[in-house]
Amino acid sequence: QKEVEQDPGPLSVPEGAIVSLNCTYSNSAFQYFMWYRQYSRKGPELLMYTYSSGNKEDGRFTAQVDKSSKYISLFIRDSQPSDSATYLCAMSGTNAGGTSYGKLTFGQGTILTVHP
Amino acid sequence: NAGVTQTPKFQVLKTGQSMTLQCAQDMNHNSMYWYRQDPGMGLRLIYYSASEGTTDKGEVPNGYNVSRLNKREFSLRLESAAPSQTSVYFCASSVGLATGNTIYFGEGSWLTVV
Repeated sequence: QKEVEQDPGPLSVPEGAIVSLNCTYSNSAFQYFMWYRQYSRKGPELLMYTYSSGNKEDGRFTAQVDKSSKYISLFIRDSQPSDSATYLCAMSGTNAGGTSYGKLTFGQGTILTVHP
Repeated sequence: NAGVTQTPKFQVLKTGQSMTLQCAQDMNHNSMYWYRQDPGMGLRLIYYSASEGTTDKGEVPNGYNVSRLNKREFSLRLESAAPSQTSVYFCASSVGLATGNTIYFGEGSWLTVV
């Protein structure tokens, strides 16, 4: 079983729709949760960053973390064709001894297409 | 700003050939990484360098070697390429290895081994 599971989609929605992207994870040591956006033939770029549980909003994007359920989400409101990309969740945390490590564990990525 | 620069962008190798992927960052970051990305597998860490002078294995190190040449540069070498190493390779860097530091990625290198 992978440490981080993400539905690869593909997901196709009309312009203006609300998009929900999700990841589940098994490692309770994860404390830092990120969403990266990757356009075709490009490297991933950081979109949202959240520490521990809770919500974070940035414009049309909202990231939610529920550590009790080991579940994270990214919501995109009023989706635009320019949002068409692959969205990758990523996580990191401390080990049992409390030593931090910054290596990210990624989900498989969800391919999103927003059509006009 | 260049950020993280990788070369070459595209490469085709024959089985058994060797090659080196070059990476440089201009953000004065201490930590650098090499990932590979395969369909359905997400990004997997090959090797990383916490700081200049140190390197460590990641999740999938077999068949690869790395060199942290200086603070700016971190190269990935395939000594004897195999078809299973056909992938997209990403170099990345961050201020440090500490949890929570943002990792910045290069544009990627597409490698095909035939």
